[in-house]
Amino acid sequence: GAGVSQSPSNKVTEKGKDVELRCDPISGHTALYWYRQSLGQGLEFLIYFQGNSAPDKSGLPSDRFSAERTGGSVSTLTIQRTQQEDSAVYLCASSWRSLQGDTQYFGPGTRLTVL
Amino acid sequence: AQTVTQSQPEMSVQEAETVTLSCTYDTSENNYYLFWYKQPPSRQMILVIRQEAYKQQNATENRFSVNFQKAAKSFSLKISDSQLGDTAMYFCAFMKRAGANSKLTFGKGITLSVRP
Repeated sequence: GAGVSQSPSNKVTEKGKDVELRCDPISGHTALYWYRQSLGQGLEFLIYFQGNSAPDKSGLPSDRFSAERTGGSVSTLTIQRTQQEDSAVYLCASSWRSLQGDTQYFGPGTRLTVL
Repeated sequence: AQTVTQSQPEMSVQEAETVTLSCTYDTSENNYYLFWYKQPPSRQMILVIRQEAYKQQNATENRFSVNFQKAAKSFSLKISDSQLGDTAMYFCAFMKRAGANSKLTFGKGITLSVRP
């Protein structure tokens, strides 16, 4: 079946603008994760959804970052008033459940460049 | 908190030879999972192999195998008969077993180049 998809693949924006990044998980997967990959920080966890709820938002770096998930499927990560340090690859992953050990399947990521 | 350390930033291996990628981790948990993910230039993270900490037997997947040393908190990946398609970044990752949030904690990654 189809894997995790993310859009856009690449996004270039100007400092101060808002951006929305989209993730379509594998059909039937109830758990969804957002990670950020940057040269300085490596791969870091941002937020996790179980269904439409986000029990763990501990990785969001500031209140400019928010995310939602609707219908237990598509998720959107929104970054307001983007800064240059937000430039990174944003990866989304989904798993069947959020229980321990369930394999996470990753999307191809969105490369965000803030000028 | 858990930490994952990959101390080698890059490695190179001749095609058809064997290479071992190192990973150490630190945790106070007794039950957990360990993973190796591959990230080729396409950016798509692909699961290579996983290990449950409660299993003493080392996991194997075709040409990929791990050497899991729980007491030493070491989790190395061995790639046998290296192929050009193995060229990628490899990330070691940790997942706690307790709790509902199975987020991954990653190492910094290692760039592996397979030479023809």
